[in-house]
Amino acid sequence: DGGITQSPKYLFRKEGQNVTLSCEQNLNHDAMYWYRQDPGQGLRLIYYSQIVNDFQKGDIAEGYSVSREKKESFPLTVTSAQKNPTAFYLCASWGGLQPQHFGDGTRLSIL
Amino acid sequence: EDKVVQSPLSLVVHEGDTVTLNCSYEVTNFRSLLWYKQEKKAPTFLFMLTSSGIEKKSGRLSSILDKKELFSILNITATQTGDSAVYLCAVEEGDDKIIFGKGTRLHILP
Repeated sequence: DGGITQSPKYLFRKEGQNVTLSCEQNLNHDAMYWYRQDPGQGLRLIYYSQIVNDFQKGDIAEGYSVSREKKESFPLTVTSAQKNPTAFYLCASWGGLQPQHFGDGTRLSIL
Repeated sequence: EDKVVQSPLSLVVHEGDTVTLNCSYEVTNFRSLLWYKQEKKAPTFLFMLTSSGIEKKSGRLSSILDKKELFSILNITATQTGDSAVYLCAVEEGDDKIIFGKGTRLHILP
């Protein structure tokens, strides 16, 4: 079955540490997205990528970085510069004609 | 400034009531508006709207878009406790950018 796989489901970060969240899709979608969701809030766009080797900042890109070396993969790194990283992170992909497909999310917490 | 504004932010009603959720937007190069339902994890897709005035319907849920006034509504009739969720509105701008509102948290009392 086609879909999006995010890993891990739960992640703990120590102060000053960078962590990378994985997102893989086998839907052959060109566009991929990372959103952050805080408790009781909607989704805020961190980064998105329309095509391999290209990506754009969303509304809250500071403290995050991404890469898009392969069409299937769009990993998100939460750097130590992100001072409040505790949140639920959702990855999505989009093929243009259908609505976005979402992964099951990664919940990041600070130790 | 938020480009996609949902109202109300939260709503509590009794089972059987009808609810209307609102979504207004202000984006350049609008392409589509999407509604999602989010319970525990990933949002699940409800509707995609691209044309004004055409109602989309799925069971007790329906939605319509007004591109002149830049808003959409999501109606749920005869609500059930299983409708309790966060309802998210998203707008697709040009260049494949998709941005979400803060969501409406709906709670249905039995």
